[in-house]
Amino acid sequence: KNQVEQSPQSLIILEGKNCTLQCNYTVSPFSNLRWYKQDTGRGPVSLTIMTFSENTKSNGRYTATLDADTKQSSLHITASQLSDSASYICVFLGGGGADGLTFGKGTHLIIQP
Amino acid sequence: GAVVSQHPSWVICKSGTSVKIECRSLDFQATTMFWYRQFPKQSLMLMATSNEGSKATYEQGVEKDKFLINHASLTLSTLTVTSAHPEDSSFYICSAILREGRQPQHFGDGTRLSIL
Repeated sequence: KNQVEQSPQSLIILEGKNCTLQCNYTVSPFSNLRWYKQDTGRGPVSLTIMTFSENTKSNGRYTATLDADTKQSSLHITASQLSDSASYICVFLGGGGADGLTFGKGTHLIIQP
Repeated sequence: GAVVSQHPSWVICKSGTSVKIECRSLDFQATTMFWYRQFPKQSLMLMATSNEGSKATYEQGVEKDKFLINHASLTLSTLTVTSAHPEDSSFYICSAILREGRQPQHFGDGTRLSIL
């Protein structure tokens, strides 16, 4: 069964600190992996997109990695800001249903001043 | 860039009311749109696939008579929650894909539905 497990479920860090969010998957095959940021009460916004053959992709303070051997992806946030408080969801294009997507449940990140 | 707009963003209404949510692709044509439901701290759950000019395809367990979907044009899909009850309270999100394929998939900003 194609699954996506994200960890931790919740994370609280101080402003300015770095953090890494994890995404373990069994989705196979897949075309690409996206990390989304979802602010409370808003729709998901794409941060990074990687194909299955890419290892890393950066977008400003966000860096996503993909290890096909261990079936793990991570999202590293550098120098966190209060506006980074949100849920972060990893989503695979592959293994899913009619929309072709397999969603993780997300990591709820809280940045404290 | 491509944008998907949802309206309204928040609805509060009495039990038994029918509520219509609109999803528009603002600068591209979307032959296919998707409707999701999201409970707190849960992932998006696909409810149905909305196809322009044809009937929607519903996921297992989703009542098609309860959640009416209409995709009358290439830029507009609507979801109507009929005779809404408190258990229908949730966050509803739509998404749209470009005409030529599945990339990229753009999400609307969601509609929070609260049934009293």
